Amino acid sequence: KAGVTQTPRYLIKTRGQQVTLSCSPISGHRSVSWYQQTPGQGLQFLFEYFSETQRNKGNFPGRFSGRQFSNSRSEMNVSTLELGDSALYLCASSVGLAGTYEQYFGPGTRLTVT
Amino acid sequence: DQQVKQNSPSLSVQEGRISILNCDYTNSMFDYFLWYKKYPAEGPTFLISISSIKDKNEDGRFTVFLNKSAKHLSLHIVPSQPGDSAVYFCAATDSTGGSARQLTFGSGTQLTVLP
Repeated sequence: KAGVTQTPRYLIKTRGQQVTLSCSPISGHRSVSWYQQTPGQGLQFLFEYFSETQRNKGNFPGRFSGRQFSNSRSEMNVSTLELGDSALYLCASSVGLAGTYEQYFGPGTRLTVT
Repeated sequence: DQQVKQNSPSLSVQEGRISILNCDYTNSMFDYFLWYKKYPAEGPTFLISISSIKDKNEDGRFTVFLNKSAKHLSLHIVPSQPGDSAVYFCAATDSTGGSARQLTFGSGTQLTVLP
């Protein structure tokens, strides 16, 4: 069974631009969660989507948004990029809601904002 | 305010010896704890978990201990192997969130096992 895939793997953007990251979950998984990883901060929860609905949201500004499609694939969008948005963005999928079922992580998208 | 803290950013251990990674939490509602391992250029992978009704869970070379009164958990790896070199994240979740439970992660500890 194929694992969680994320595209692109690396991205360089300029401050003020917007970016869209994509995540394809493991087949049969209906939940996709997004995390931001920065040095010293660990993984910080962004949001979780289940059956195309946002079920949970972390403490991030409204510039961070996401959506999930009927095939469970998910996209995350960051508008008006700031230097501090440079991070590794990880998505994780699970059969059911993330707090109840084991999550499987993708390799991440490394975003650099200059 | 970090609810899950891993105060040691790094740890070096000789091959064959015990590795002990520590994690503290502040939210008394957390009732399920997990450890993830992360290699460079890969996503974290689940390692072992423990429910708050237990104080110990073992899986091969990996044992997690939970001290609820101290709000502390630790991961023991015995014996340590060079392939264990990775970043280890501890995570916690609480049941009060119902269907909206989420994982709260610590900042990670880089374990280096020296041959």
